[in-house]
This record gives sequence, structure tokens and C-alpha cells, in this order.
Amino acid sequence: DTGVSQNPRHKITKRGQNVTFRCDPISEHNRLYWYRQTLGQGPEFLTYFQNEAQLEKSRLLSDRFSAERPKGSFSTLEIQRTEQGDSAMYLCASSSDTQYFGPGTRLTVL
Amino acid sequence: GQQLNQSPQSMFIQEGEDVSMNCTSSSIFNTWLWYKQDPGEGPVLLIALYKAGELTSNGRLTAQFGITRKDSFLNISASIPSDVGIYFCAGGGAQRTNFGNEKLTFGTGTRLTIIP
Repeated sequence: DTGVSQNPRHKITKRGQNVTFRCDPISEHNRLYWYRQTLGQGPEFLTYFQNEAQLEKSRLLSDRFSAERPKGSFSTLEIQRTEQGDSAMYLCASSSDTQYFGPGTRLTVL
Repeated sequence: GQQLNQSPQSMFIQEGEDVSMNCTSSSIFNTWLWYKQDPGEGPVLLIALYKAGELTSNGRLTAQFGITRKDSFLNISASIPSDVGIYFCAGGGAQRTNFGNEKLTFGTGTRLTIIP
């Protein structure tokens, strides 16, 4: 399978814990995006990388969120001190010109 | 965050019927895309539009990029059970930067249900 992959697919955590998600993009794509989707809404942009450089961060990305793409390949999204409001589907997409999405990581914060 | 206006919010149709949905924005976009999302999965790209006025087909799906660059529509002909799901429009390239940032702004979705 050469599509975008995300791990884990589901994560349940207690409030206050840290969580980390991983995204593996399509191999030849140099751009990688993170989006968040809450129930009944469309995905909302969080941040964007071109190769290893993080070029833009949304105001939705609070100080508790950090994303990295250290070698310009896979990316990680970490949420520190999770809150119940962080419960959502976290989607990764990669592109060379058109964005293709992974299956997402569903986070539930208890 | 900003979400595009998508209508209708939901549709209940019989198998074999044609479907039409649209998306409008107060901002200009340089690309329009249509995605379909099944429960618990990520959005799957259906059609990408790159030029104002462009009309593109993908099987039973047809989409158009509005001349004003502020709207797009998607038509599905002769619906089948696997068409059930949520359809999202997305606009890209609203703010051109030197890096060609194409972050997407999504619509609120149209939920398609097929009545047996």
C-alpha cells in the first residue's frame, strides 16, 4: 500500500497525559499537512511542512501541540497535557500538488 | 476556523437518482477539490479542479470550478449504494505564498443517504 498511513488509528487517554501520533506520507511527496476534524465538521488546518521545514501553524495549534518532520519523511504530532476538548480525528495529508489523506487517528480524552 | 458553506447539509434519495450539491465561499480560491469520507476513515479525493470555469468528470461524478472562483458544484448521476457517505468540498491556495502553500479550507459537508 503506497498511500498515507497513520498510527495509531485510535487512542484513548486520560486528561493530562501526553500523546504522540505518527504520519507516513506518500514517499515522493515533499509536503505534509496536519488537520483536525471534530464530529459533524469538516477538517480544519493545523500545520504544514515542506520537506523538514514547518512553514505555517494555525491559531488552532496551541502551545500544547508540537509537530515535527525531522528528516523530511514521516511526521509526528504531539499533544501535551491533553484536555477533553482535544478529542477529535487527527488527519494527515501529503501532496506534490493535490492532497491525499491518511485514515486518521481518533483521539478520545477521558 | 473558517468553513465553506456547503448545501444541502443532507440528502435522502432513492437508488438511481441524480444528486447535486454545491459549495460557496466569500473568498477566492485557486483550486477546488471534492472529497468523500466514510465513517471512521480519512477523506478520499474524488475530483480536483485547477482552473476557473473548468468542468471535470470522473465516472458518474462531474464537478465544476465556478467562474468567480468562489464556488463549485458536484453532481453524481445514477446513484448507487456505495455513494452513501459525507461529501466535502475544499478550497485551496487562497493565500499564495512563495512556497505555494495550498492549505485546504473545507466545507461543512453534505451527508448522502440512499433510501431503500
